[in-house]
Amino acid sequence: AQTVTQSQPEMSVQEAETVTLSCTYDTSESDYYLFWYKQPPSRQMILVIRQEAYKQQNATENRFSVNFQKAAKSFSLKISDSQLGDAAMYFCAYRSGSPTGANSKLTFGKGITLSVRP
Amino acid sequence: KAGVTQTPRYLIKTRGQQVTLSCSPISGHRSVSWYQQTPGQGLQFLFEYFSETQRNKGNFPGRFSGRQFSNSRSEMNVSTLELGDSALYLCASSVRNRDYTFGSGTRLTVV
Repeated sequence: AQTVTQSQPEMSVQEAETVTLSCTYDTSESDYYLFWYKQPPSRQMILVIRQEAYKQQNATENRFSVNFQKAAKSFSLKISDSQLGDAAMYFCAYRSGSPTGANSKLTFGKGITLSVRP
Repeated sequence: KAGVTQTPRYLIKTRGQQVTLSCSPISGHRSVSWYQQTPGQGLQFLFEYFSETQRNKGNFPGRFSGRQFSNSRSEMNVSTLELGDSALYLCASSVRNRDYTFGSGTRLTVV
């Protein structure tokens, strides 16, 4: 079974600064997807960024980028130029690359609460 | 386009009762998944439906059940409610399980 670990329960960053959120995972599969989701107080999980394991290039979405280290099974999220609206809970998630049957689900880490200081 | 709609947003039930939660996916999305979120256990997968068939089920007791209708709307039911069932229940829809779009959840409180 796959596992996702987020070891930092809380982090804080100054507005306009850069912060990195860590995530490690364990799997025996070679084909999979990794995600970062943001959950603000409104409770809705919002997709921040997606990384396909077969792609060597790290994914980037505006101020959000990842550092994907496949051999080390590490998947960290970097937020540049942090904004007050980035304050939320962030979840790292794993999904098998063959999303049928028993693999059709997301496995989440415990999450990290990010606060942004003005 | 409309997002994933979950109703109701809040629910208070008494131990022993049963409850039904509803999820309307994004138009064209045939896969609907349900997750339970609690402070202690985090996000846990309940089940997934695709074209009215349960395709995958998480490790929850039989009191938790669900179904999907021909229009892809899904319901989940919890019978004989326990205090530990208090949680945020999230629904997600997807096309070919690529990207999941979540609803805002139903906050269930069991007293």
